[in-house]
Amino acid sequence: DTAVSQTPKYLVTQMGNDKSIKCEQNLGHDTMYWYKQDSKKFLKIMFSYNNKELIINETVPNRFSPKSPDKAHLNLHINSLELGDSAVYFCASSPLGRGNGELFFGEGSRLTVL
Amino acid sequence: GNSVTQMEGPVTLSEEAFLTINCTYTATGYPSLFWYVQYPGEGLQLLLKATKADDKGSNKGFEATYRKETTSFHLEKGSVQVSDSAVYFCALSVNTGGFKTIFGAGTRLFVKA
Repeated sequence: DTAVSQTPKYLVTQMGNDKSIKCEQNLGHDTMYWYKQDSKKFLKIMFSYNNKELIINETVPNRFSPKSPDKAHLNLHINSLELGDSAVYFCASSPLGRGNGELFFGEGSRLTVL
Repeated sequence: GNSVTQMEGPVTLSEEAFLTINCTYTATGYPSLFWYVQYPGEGLQLLLKATKADDKGSNKGFEATYRKETTSFHLEKGSVQVSDSAVYFCALSVNTGGFKTIFGAGTRLFVKA
């Protein structure tokens, strides 16, 4: 059983399109995150949700909109895709109040914008 | 603010060599410290962690000690293997009404047979 799963794993699309990436975790964790990893492997937090409530929203363009229908799911929708959005997007989860912030990552979704 | 600085890579070693990857941090409050590893084509996975000063985290022959006086958390392994080739990330986590994890830039390790 995959603990944190993301779909799709690969996504190739044209500039200006809208796309979504889905994430699900079966660990019973309360907190979920989206991270962006650029071509140099640098990881930057984008969003964090705790029990469906947005708690961290870094400086991310409004074109990015996270949605958490329940605490096991955190989806990322991106409008009007730009070349600079090309990256690997990682979903992660963490147990609230336990683990001291340890993160459990999905395998990543590689987005290529042409 | 909170930040993590780790040595730039790539680091290239021969099998059975000693490995050190330096990591220093700045943080408000008392962070937990982590090393994550990312194998090619995979997500990050926790390698080891330490939650308070002088704690030593260890796993798979890797170890790191939380040094508050030098704000460091250097990763070491006595004898690396080809299978250790990966990107290693130092990270800190602080509770700001929800845990926020800040990552270093990552250090790529190549181990040659």
